[in-house]
Amino acid sequence: GAGVSQSPSNKVTEKGKDVELRCDPISGHTALYWYRQSLGQGLEFLIYFQGNSAPDKSGLPSDRFSAERTGGSVSTLTIQRTQQEDSAVYLCASSLVSGGVNEQFFGPGTRLTVL
Amino acid sequence: GENVEQHPSTLSVQEGDSAVIKCTYSDSASNYFPWYKQELGKGPQLIIDIRSNVGEKKDQRIAVTLNKTAKHFSLHITETQPEDSAVYFCALNPSSGGYQKVTFGTGTKLQVIP
Repeated sequence: GAGVSQSPSNKVTEKGKDVELRCDPISGHTALYWYRQSLGQGLEFLIYFQGNSAPDKSGLPSDRFSAERTGGSVSTLTIQRTQQEDSAVYLCASSLVSGGVNEQFFGPGTRLTVL
Repeated sequence: GENVEQHPSTLSVQEGDSAVIKCTYSDSASNYFPWYKQELGKGPQLIIDIRSNVGEKKDQRIAVTLNKTAKHFSLHITETQPEDSAVYFCALNPSSGGYQKVTFGTGTKLQVIP
């Protein structure tokens, strides 16, 4: 079946502009995560959504970052007034608890470059 | 929050040799320990996982061992092949069940030299 998809795959923007990154999770997965991965670095947690509960926003680096998930499915990560340090790959993952474990399925990521 | 330390950060092995990556953690309540492989330009993909009630799990050339007393778990790849070259991340769920945040290690870049 279809996996997690993200769009766009690449985004180049100018400093100060706003960007929106989209994630389509696997159908039926109730949890959705956003991570940021800088070049050659590990995965930095940003935010996660679980069902109808309030999202855990504890990883968002500043108030320029926000995310929403509509209808329990598609999610959009918005970065306002982008800065050069926002340049990174933004990964989305979805999961469904099964047998008490949380296997995350990742999308291919969106590579954001802020000039 | 939980810390996961992963070593080494880079690893080069000759084709056919074994590779071992180790992670240590601090949260004794952790009960699920997955390993992810990330190929260039792609998102991480689960390759093997282990639960806290098991000490070792093997899947063909890949095995994972868990020592809950010492709080460390390791990925073992035998008979390495060039296609094993990638970045490997360990991870853990900090407590049983739920949609808890998953804590990832810092990654190990494995290079298999033909």
